[in-house]
Amino acid sequence: AQSVTQLDSQVPVFEEAPVELRCNYSSSVSVYLFWYVQYPNQGLQLLLKYLSGSTLVESINGFEAEFNKSQTSFHLRKPSVHISDTAEYFCAVKPGTYKYIFGTGTRLKVLA
Amino acid sequence: NAGVMQNPRHLVRRRGQEARLRCSPMKGHSHVYWYRQLPEEGLKFMVYLQKENIIDESGMPKERFSAEFPKEGPSILRIQQVVRGDSAAYFCASSPSTGGSSDTQYFGPGTRLTVL
Repeated sequence: AQSVTQLDSQVPVFEEAPVELRCNYSSSVSVYLFWYVQYPNQGLQLLLKYLSGSTLVESINGFEAEFNKSQTSFHLRKPSVHISDTAEYFCAVKPGTYKYIFGTGTRLKVLA
Repeated sequence: NAGVMQNPRHLVRRRGQEARLRCSPMKGHSHVYWYRQLPEEGLKFMVYLQKENIIDESGMPKERFSAEFPKEGPSILRIQQVVRGDSAAYFCASSPSTGGSSDTQYFGPGTRLTVL
């Protein structure tokens, strides 16, 4: 069965420091990979996705993620975080045509 | 282009009452998905609907839960005789008409159901 693991439930980091949020998945088939962000009391917003092609994908607000097939990982990184990046981040895979499988989320807390 | 709309945003029910959650997909989207987020957990797939059809309800509890997506109007997730364990955030997502494997789902803001 497919699954997504986000090992870190909470990640505190100081403003302007780099951050990495880890995501590993298990799947016997090819998958599409996504990172969603959820700000307090809001819905999920798509941050970035990997469908095919270049294994490094970027978002408009400075986040990037790299698909590593051999390690079945899709870690999210940002070289310098801002207070406004404080949110919960969900990694998701789509092994088939429509059903997403989500990780349990990582709460990023950016400290001043 | 308005995003996925859900209402109400917050819903409080007493045990035994019914809860109705509504979802209006993005314009042009005819595929709707419902997910449930229990406290401290990720989202779990519940059901996938197209207009007037349930495509996959494998994530729906067998009893008390039902979903529909009529030809006209929003999609409705209905929970009968709610229990405290139904307290959660319920998210709706929609995707374009093609429904292809690479389609991205766009999520609404969610309905937070509290059962007293």
